[in-house]
Amino acid sequence: ETGVTQTPRHLVMGMTNKKSLKCEQHLGHNAMYWYKQSAKKPLELMFVYSLEERVENNSVPSRFSPECPNSSHLFLHLHTLQPEDSALYLCASSQAGTANRGEKLFFGSGTQLSVL
Amino acid sequence: KQEVTQIPAALSVPEGENLVLNCSFTDSAIYNLQWFRQDPGKGLTSLLLIQSSQREQTSGRLNASLDKSSGRSTLYIAASQPGDSATYLCAVNPSGTYKYIFGTGTRLKVLA
Repeated sequence: ETGVTQTPRHLVMGMTNKKSLKCEQHLGHNAMYWYKQSAKKPLELMFVYSLEERVENNSVPSRFSPECPNSSHLFLHLHTLQPEDSALYLCASSQAGTANRGEKLFFGSGTQLSVL
Repeated sequence: KQEVTQIPAALSVPEGENLVLNCSFTDSAIYNLQWFRQDPGKGLTSLLLIQSSQREQTSGRLNASLDKSSGRSTLYIAASQPGDSATYLCAVNPSGTYKYIFGTGTRLKVLA
């Protein structure tokens, strides 16, 4: 148990559905991240929030919409996804969330998403 | 553009063997480097973090070294066990950014 919880663990959705992924961290951290992990590709950073402010948007299509209502919760809202969006979506958090202080990342177990 | 490469992509060794996993990166302007372990279908667990000013870090049977000027890091696993079987990933944090750039990992299998 890393202190970062993701729900659901598995999600199957059609291309016209709208769904949301949820991440909650119990570590008192100030930065939260969404990563995408596709088969045989490196983890891709999608979004970073520091103190509830989005500080990185890594050229992610608008069909992925993040939300960070407070420093403990992070959501990823999904709509009109494509089959190539099928992947493991990982949430992570780190302590201070300052760009000049690279710190240990704590990951959740991920949501395995399948888009039909 | 920072790129991270891990060699080998897969490794199979008998139990008890000492082994070395390699990670290389193209831009030496990093703040730190982390090694992670990932079990199938699971998230990542941070194993070791080396700050750019450090040369190595140790935790139990694991030792990670960093040569920033040559863009290399190694993860040394002593006396490997079947429970060490997993994918090992390295990631670098470029200076002044929130990003961690990941390699594609080394898939390790330790045979009993």
